Amino acid sequence: AQKITQTQPGMFVQEKEAVTLDCTYDTSDPSYGLFWYKQPSSGEMIFLIYQGSYDQQNATEGRYSLNFQKARKSANLVISASQLGDSAMYFCAMREVDSNSGYALNFGKGTSLLVTP
Amino acid sequence: GAGVSQSPSNKVTEKGKDVELRCDPISGHTALYWYRQRLGQGLEFLIYFQGNSAPDKSGLPSDRFSAERTGESVSTLTIQRTQQEDSAVYLCASRPPASVWLAGAPGELFFGEGSRLTVL
Repeated sequence: AQKITQTQPGMFVQEKEAVTLDCTYDTSDPSYGLFWYKQPSSGEMIFLIYQGSYDQQNATEGRYSLNFQKARKSANLVISASQLGDSAMYFCAMREVDSNSGYALNFGKGTSLLVTP
Repeated sequence: GAGVSQSPSNKVTEKGKDVELRCDPISGHTALYWYRQRLGQGLEFLIYFQGNSAPDKSGLPSDRFSAERTGESVSTLTIQRTQQEDSAVYLCASRPPASVWLAGAPGELFFGEGSRLTVL
């Protein structure tokens, strides 16, 4: 079953504007972690931000913030003041404890973000 | 460098040939993961190694896929009798032991740049 859902295959945003990338998740584990990674065209996976299930406050990291709504099981990424270099694929991922895969991250299908001048 | 190293970065092969992909994790990282990323898709978990424990291979897509890891060092992913649907980027990631997880991102995976496999 799909555990991470990213419903926006592609998004456009104008430079200097803010953009929200959606992510919903499904788990019955009370302890989990949510990650956002950026994948530029070069292919490397760059860690952006993390939110733990027990964290009371929304995570922030520079221009990135995570809008964590636990009851709705959503963890949307907000990028403020978009820059041209933000154009990339963005993946939401969840860490659970799974006896087969340890603490593997389950990834969504990603959102392609294009920042326009 | 000190990051996860993967080789080859690009591999073009003919259908039916065997290929071997290599991953050198960050020193001290006890866990190692292989993921597959088909064009325009998300990351598909393949296999996980933790220390000297036997890996669970249930995520491997077929018995043509196998992986090995020597202790807590290099891992190789082998694909036998490659098929065109095996074309993808194969990403390796490593993770430090839980005792040293970063407070800001416990369980963060550190990825290599991937091996792009094209099966003709």
